[in-house]
Amino acid sequence: GAVVSQHPSRVICKSGTSVKIECRSLDFQATTMFWYRQFPKQSLMLMATSNEGSKATYEQGVEKDKFLINHASLTLSTLTVTSAHPEDSSFYICSARTVINQPQHFGDGTRLSIL
Amino acid sequence: SQQGEEDPQALSIQEGENATMNCSYKTSINNLQWYRQNSGRGLVHLILIRSNEREKHSGRLRVTLDTSKKSSSLLITASRAADTASYFCATDARDSNYQLIWGAGTKLIIKP
Repeated sequence: GAVVSQHPSRVICKSGTSVKIECRSLDFQATTMFWYRQFPKQSLMLMATSNEGSKATYEQGVEKDKFLINHASLTLSTLTVTSAHPEDSSFYICSARTVINQPQHFGDGTRLSIL
Repeated sequence: SQQGEEDPQALSIQEGENATMNCSYKTSINNLQWYRQNSGRGLVHLILIRSNEREKHSGRLRVTLDTSKKSSSLLITASRAADTASYFCATDARDSNYQLIWGAGTKLIIKP
C-alpha cells in the first residue's frame, strides 16, 4: 500500500517551456503533499507544502509564480515549472502524507533537463 | 531546511558486514524517520521511531534513538549488495509545523 506515482520520470525541453509534473497517491488519500528539489549528491530541499483545496505554502526563496502548485484533490497534486530555464534543471520529488506524525510516501522523482 | 547531520557522509564495506550510520539533530522531536534512496529514484521509508521509544527493529534494520543526546543510529546487519543506496534521517516536530527536517545523508556502498 501507500503508493505514490509521479510523472513524467524524465523531461528534456527547451528553455522557455513550461513543464507540468503530476503526483498521484494511488491507494490512499493524501491530505498533504510535499514538493522537493534535490541537487546532485545533496539532501532534499523542501520547496512547498500543499494541502488539498488550499493554496500551497512555499519555503523561503522559492518563487511561487515560477513553481505553480495545484492540489485539486486528495489524490493529485501538480507542480508546473513555468518558463523553465537551464538553472531550473534538477531532480524534483513529490511525497504524500495522510496525517501528521506518519511517514511520507514518495514518488520516483522527475529528472528535469532544460537545454 | 536541514537540521540533521549524518555521519559518515560515505561508507564502503564488504558484503556481509554490518553498517552503522548516525544522525544528530538540534530540536525536540515527535519522531525520527529513516529513508533509503537508490540512485536516481525516490525515497523509501524504512523505520519511524517515536520520541518515547529507544530502539526499534525491522528485519535486518535496527534503529536507536537517544533524545538526551539528540542522536539516532541505523544499523544494517549482514549487508547485501542491494543495500547500496543513500540513507537519510528526518525529524518530525511540531516546531517545524510537522514538516520533515532532513539530514545530509550517508552514501552506503556494499562491495560484493
